[in-house]
Amino acid sequence: DAKTTQPNSMESNEEEPVHLPCNHSTISGTDYIHWYRQLPSQGPEYVIHGLTSNVNNRMASLAIAEDRKSSTLILHRATLRDAAVYYCILKNEGNTGKLIFGQGTTLQVKP
Amino acid sequence: NAGVTQTPKFQVLKTGQSMTLQCAQDMNHEYMSWYRQDPGMGLRLIHYSVGAGITDQGEVPNGYNVSRSTTEDFPLRLLSAAPSQTSVYFCASSYRRAASYEQYFGPGTRLTVT
Repeated sequence: DAKTTQPNSMESNEEEPVHLPCNHSTISGTDYIHWYRQLPSQGPEYVIHGLTSNVNNRMASLAIAEDRKSSTLILHRATLRDAAVYYCILKNEGNTGKLIFGQGTTLQVKP
Repeated sequence: NAGVTQTPKFQVLKTGQSMTLQCAQDMNHEYMSWYRQDPGMGLRLIHYSVGAGITDQGEVPNGYNVSRSTTEDFPLRLLSAAPSQTSVYFCASSYRRAASYEQYFGPGTRLTVT
């Protein structure tokens, strides 16, 4: 399984945009880039995913580099509720369908 | 939709006891799975199912059994609880197993084995 690298922690101010980076230099052509987050004492929550093109949904935007070796999750206006651990995960068509959660990025949002 | 539901939220067991963790989804998802999350570690896949009547092992299946008699339900059975099974257990579901589909997680069951 291809590996992802994320910063251990980041800080943001409330109502400002947040850019969470992820490096995945060994990504294969069929790997989808998924982002999940986990709020304290809760289960992981799906945020967004994409393959090659940038993606937007009601929660966030995903910007994927042209060579697909990195991506950035963009929260347009951080709120206190966005404080969580954010996981960047590469998912391929493997048999088990499992998601491999690394250490993720702990995002702190300051009021 | 209720999404993915899990019961109970908390459970304390004595070593050697058995129990079943319940998981249900109302989204007509084919794929369901169980993970465990230990402190300071990522989630590890225990078992998964790609449809009713079909189950398979993940990376840490020992000590756990599953069955999938309906699309909606995917219970996880601990056969003889051990302290090493103290963990938080998450159930997840997805429309399909394929990489292009997102997964939805339940709120978790926090299990302590003494």
